[in-house]
Amino acid sequence: NAGVTQTPKFQVLKTGQSMTLQCAQDMNHNSMYWYRQDPGMGLRLIYYSASEGTTDKGEVPNGYNVSRLNKREFSLRLESAAPSQTSVYFCASTAARGIQYFGAGTRLSVL
Amino acid sequence: GQQVMQIPQYQHVQEGEDFTTYCNSSTTLSNIQWYKQRPGGHPVFLIQLVKSGEVKKQKRLTFQFGEAKKNSSLHITATQTTDVGTYFCAGWGGAQKLVFGQGTRLTINP
Repeated sequence: NAGVTQTPKFQVLKTGQSMTLQCAQDMNHNSMYWYRQDPGMGLRLIYYSASEGTTDKGEVPNGYNVSRLNKREFSLRLESAAPSQTSVYFCASTAARGIQYFGAGTRLSVL
Repeated sequence: GQQVMQIPQYQHVQEGEDFTTYCNSSTTLSNIQWYKQRPGGHPVFLIQLVKSGEVKKQKRLTFQFGEAKKNSSLHITATQTTDVGTYFCAGWGGAQKLVFGQGTRLTINP
């Protein structure tokens, strides 16, 4: 059982470049989430999708866009990367009991 | 909006000492969850508390949910090096959002 799969695991971008972080879950969960975690910091919610076809802003949505492609997949796009977006990005999905299952993360550096 | 505060931010102990982290919510919670993140890893679910005053144990870990369902604690007895990591509490806010505390980073001197 793969759980939550994120790609890529590592990425280095130059300021102004764009990229999409991919996330897929195979647990048939309705809700999916994108968080960022800066060094030594907690988890900050970027965007979430409570169900297929819906997306909502979290705490820090500026500079990001998301797409809930289908029930399994939830992608995060950086249109014009900035050094302030250097972080570790986690995707998560939620089971019926509300337990969140996290992917292994994408470590992004923006130079 | 709902806020979840966690203290302390950092804790360094000698192996074998006890450790406690505290979590306080600005609003009453339907339940509270605890997660552990090992260095370089991702958060992993530990436990969920639902009832007022609930106490649950997992080996050396004891979790408590306050009577008013606004606070919680995690206590580790006789820490081991495998306990190293960051411990997060989290509570469900409105609109399907899980609100995380800032985490307590535990380091251990062997």
